[in-house]
Amino acid sequence: EDQVTQSPEALRLQEGESSSLNCSYTVSGLRGLFWYRQDPGKGPEFLFTLYSAGEEKEKERLKATLTKKESFLHITAPKPEDSATYLCAVQAGNYGQNFVFGPGTRLSVLP
Amino acid sequence: KAGVTQTPRYLIKTRGQQVTLSCSPISGHRSVSWYQQTPGQGLQFLFEYFSETQRNKGNFPGRFSGRQFSNSRSEMNVSTLELGDSALYLCASSLTEDYGYTFGSGTRLTVV
Repeated sequence: EDQVTQSPEALRLQEGESSSLNCSYTVSGLRGLFWYRQDPGKGPEFLFTLYSAGEEKEKERLKATLTKKESFLHITAPKPEDSATYLCAVQAGNYGQNFVFGPGTRLSVLP
Repeated sequence: KAGVTQTPRYLIKTRGQQVTLSCSPISGHRSVSWYQQTPGQGLQFLFEYFSETQRNKGNFPGRFSGRQFSNSRSEMNVSTLELGDSALYLCASSLTEDYGYTFGSGTRLTVV
């Protein structure tokens, strides 16, 4: 059965204090790993898609990396506006959209 | 550019009733998927429609159903509502399978 776990469950950082979020997955036939950001009361907002081990993608203060068993979301010098829940999801199967989401990491960045 | 629109935003229903939720995808997006989000179970995949055909289905009972119209708009229906169906229901659309999926803001369903 496809499974995604995320750690830590919650993370509190001071503004400027860099850290990493982890997403570990067990899936047969990974087609893609997605990172989303979700603010309270809103739907998830797409951040990155990673397809193969060794791949990296960056966007502003965020950098996502992928290995065969896990992905990391590195946050460099975070700001309070980076506070949100970060979700990772794996896309498996032969076709179509069938995401298995992790439980998320709730990030708080204090000024 | 308009995003994914879900209506209504909030809904309160009584146990045993049925409910229909609506989703209008981004113009040109043909893939529409539905998810249920609860504090205990997180985001769980319900089903996906592509060109009016259900392409994938999650592990939910038959009380949960959906459909997609020729203009790609989609509806999901939940019959015989149970208290445990209280959740945020999210719709997502995509241009292609590998493009980033765009989520709507969801419909918050409360069953009393």
